[in-house]
Amino acid sequence: GNSVTQMEGPVTLSEEAFLTINCTYTATGYPSLFWYVQYPGEGLQLLLKATKADDKGSNKGFEATYRKETTSFHLEKGSVQVSDSAVYFCALSDMETSGSRLTFGEGTQLTVNP
Amino acid sequence: DAGITQSPRHKVTETGTPVTLRCHQTENHRYMYWYRQDPGHGLRLIHYSYGVKDTDKGEVSDGYSVSRSKTEDFLLTLESATSSQTSVYFCAISDRKGPGGELFFGEGSRLTVL
Repeated sequence: GNSVTQMEGPVTLSEEAFLTINCTYTATGYPSLFWYVQYPGEGLQLLLKATKADDKGSNKGFEATYRKETTSFHLEKGSVQVSDSAVYFCALSDMETSGSRLTFGEGTQLTVNP
Repeated sequence: DAGITQSPRHKVTETGTPVTLRCHQTENHRYMYWYRQDPGHGLRLIHYSYGVKDTDKGEVSDGYSVSRSKTEDFLLTLESATSSQTSVYFCAISDRKGPGGELFFGEGSRLTVL
């Protein structure tokens, strides 16, 4: 079956530090890949996505590249801000086995200190 | 913001009592989902719906039932709540089934079963 593995958290950084959150996946088909973000007390919202190999998703300074050869979709940001403190979820959608339903990783808590 | 309202937002109940959570959307989206969020597990799909009166099970459906009599409402029922069902429940909606479709999430319903 499908699965998503994220790096263990929590992650604590200082403002303006470089961020990487690792995500690897297992899927039987050709998945679409997503990063969702959850701010405190809120639901999840889409941060970025990529639908085919070598695509790069980007939004709000965050980037992730769909690497089929390493089955990875690592999230990066060059300079984090306090307002980036949130929980980040990697997810995949595999049409062959699950339609548009998403399989999520366990989430990575990011705290950015001023 | 997508028009998704979950109710109640917080509920404390006792083991063995029935509980119904409601998700109401104003977007006229066809697909609706119920997820639960637990530490170490990310989000896991309970049930989903692909139209009025059309529902199916997700990966953690035991102990839960759903109903969708109108496009805008998707109800999640715990017939006899157990402590293992203490969780945060999220409703999500989508207007497409294809790969890359975005899910829009409600703000969550926190359920505590004593």
